[in-house]
Amino acid sequence: EAGVVQSPRYKIIEKKQPVAFWCNPISGHNTLYWYLQNLGQGPELLIRYENEEAVDDSQLPKDRFSAERLKGVDSTLKIQPAELGDSAVYLCASSRGASGSMETQYFGPGTRLLVL
Amino acid sequence: AQTVTQSQPEMSVQEAETVTLSCTYDTSESDYYLFWYKQPPSRQMILVIRQEAYKQQNATENRFSVNFQKAAKSFSLKISDSQLGDAAMYFCAAGGAQKLVFGQGTRLTINP
Repeated sequence: EAGVVQSPRYKIIEKKQPVAFWCNPISGHNTLYWYLQNLGQGPELLIRYENEEAVDDSQLPKDRFSAERLKGVDSTLKIQPAELGDSAVYLCASSRGASGSMETQYFGPGTRLLVL
Repeated sequence: AQTVTQSQPEMSVQEAETVTLSCTYDTSESDYYLFWYKQPPSRQMILVIRQEAYKQQNATENRFSVNFQKAAKSFSLKISDSQLGDAAMYFCAAGGAQKLVFGQGTRLTINP
């Protein structure tokens, strides 16, 4: 079974430029998460999707960040314009979906973003 | 709201020895779950072990086991017979209602 796929693995851009990250979850996983991980810290949730619906985007800075999950499968996270402070690792995770119990989240390899 | 605290930024252990990583948490959820994830330099977060809070029995996965103290809100990870491949960042996480909150992580070094 293929794991969570993310691309690109690394991205270097200049500040004020736009950038996009792509994630393809594990087949059959209805829930998709985007996390931000700053250096030396644990991941922090940006947005959670149940199928194509964003059910928790309270931590997403909506002035510059946007996300979409068309057709409820793969997802794109965009930053426009990027700022120096956005340099971090962006992790995507997926799980089977909301049920009576907490589903285990499986993570992709992440995209390391460097804003110059 | 949930918070997770890992008080040991770094730990080291001799190969083949046993090491315990500490984690405390706080949650308002009545139904919650606890996890340990491993993140090697490749940055891929890998699930190590999972514990359902309603279960009294401590979870075990091969060389990895937990000491879950619900009243004390403590969830430590014990690694037995440490191997060089165990070197990584270890994150404790608490989850409820499909939301995970992570601790700051503990960097584990294995000395040959």
